[in-house]
Amino acid sequence: QSALTQPASVSGSPGQSITISCTGTSSDVGGYKYVSWYQQHPGKAPKLMIYEVSNRPSGVPDRFSGSKSGNTASLTISGLQAEDEADYYCSSYTSSNTAVFGGGTKLTVL
Amino acid sequence: QVQLQESGPGLVKPSETLSLICTVSGGSISSYYWSWIRQPPGKGLEWIGYIYYSGSTNYNPSLKSRVTISLDTSKNHFSLNLSSVTAADTAVYYCARGRVPGGSWGQGTLVTVSS
Repeated sequence: QSALTQPASVSGSPGQSITISCTGTSSDVGGYKYVSWYQQHPGKAPKLMIYEVSNRPSGVPDRFSGSKSGNTASLTISGLQAEDEADYYCSSYTSSNTAVFGGGTKLTVL
Repeated sequence: QVQLQESGPGLVKPSETLSLICTVSGGSISSYYWSWIRQPPGKGLEWIGYIYYSGSTNYNPSLKSRVTISLDTSKNHFSLNLSSVTAADTAVYYCARGRVPGGSWGQGTLVTVSS
């Protein structure tokens, strides 16, 4: 199975909005609602930010939102803050009854 | 809130078998899916496989020939065995709840493959 495609890096200034894309196929992202997003700070375990495309776990700020169109899912962070600087990964359930991650995106807050 | 903790050797010799345990506390392992994920130094996350509380499993096709995941309900833990390891298997190994990992992850454990 191939990794989902994410941009290697994105950047934005405090207060701005950024969007990270996650492109797969109809056998994963496009075919199921089970798309998740994770935030990972250096040396830390990933933290779930979005599950089932657009749902936020308790405690995750509403500045974080998720959506999907066709085979591409997106994570949007509005009102960017310095502490949002981290690596972000998407994941999806697949038609093979497995899971697959994206390659990861490094977010830099300028 | 369920908590997960990985444990096992931090150093494994090439061609040997990497064995890790994930101990679950604050909840029963006898429900949900349980997964293993790894992250080579400086690289992205790779899904290894999962086990359902019933014992059914599924693995990443690229690792399938070398991976076994099992669970022990009496000890409330599940295990990862990865055979015939090479330097490419050096990574931080995480356990997590969920077939697509959810909100509960272990802190991760670094396993280095070296003679």
